[in-house]
Amino acid sequence: GENVEQHPSTLSVQEGDSAVIKCTYSDSASNYFPWYKQELGKGPQLIIDIRSNVGEKKDQRIAVTLNKTAKHFSLHITETQPEDSAVYFCAASWPYAQGGSEKLVFGKGTKLTVNP
Amino acid sequence: DTEVTQTPKHLVMGMTNKKSLKCEQHMGHRAMYWYKQKAKKPPELMFVYSYEKLSINESVPSRFSPECPNSSLLNLHLHALQPEDSALYLCASSQDRWDRSIPLHFGNGTRLTVT
Repeated sequence: GENVEQHPSTLSVQEGDSAVIKCTYSDSASNYFPWYKQELGKGPQLIIDIRSNVGEKKDQRIAVTLNKTAKHFSLHITETQPEDSAVYFCAASWPYAQGGSEKLVFGKGTKLTVNP
Repeated sequence: DTEVTQTPKHLVMGMTNKKSLKCEQHMGHRAMYWYKQKAKKPPELMFVYSYEKLSINESVPSRFSPECPNSSLLNLHLHALQPEDSALYLCASSQDRWDRSIPLHFGNGTRLTVT
């Protein structure tokens, strides 16, 4: 099955710095890669996603890059703010045998702390 | 605020109790999901409903019983749980069944403690 590795597990940056979180996936059939932000006491919220026919996508201070050949994708947050502090999960879609559906396979998460 | 509403926010139950978790969405989504999340871990898929029919069961023990009364509602019935079942239970929805790589929208979860 699909395996998604996420690094680092914790990341601490100063306010205004950039933060980068990296993920690798194992199955070349994966074609959809979302990133979720989970704040304390809340459910994961989708912040950006990318499909395999695109190499980069940007939304204000957040960008995601995808290297299909290397099976890498990364989240870039610029000009970090204290409210960016949360746990971030990457995920990759994986064709699923049961019923022909896909499922999301999540990375283990990165706890980002932005220090004021 | 999330558009997927889960109740209750917190639940404490004994191992002999029967309780239910509820989830509601009014986005017109036709696929709904239950996930389980332990502390400091990613969400783990439990069940998927597509057009009110169960399409995926990730070999979940029978003490967890899902139900989808209509396209907006999803329940998870709990019976004879074990302390290790204590976790955050997340509901999610998407526009259609997952094979179209459509974004998931999560609720804020029910924090379940089994004593």
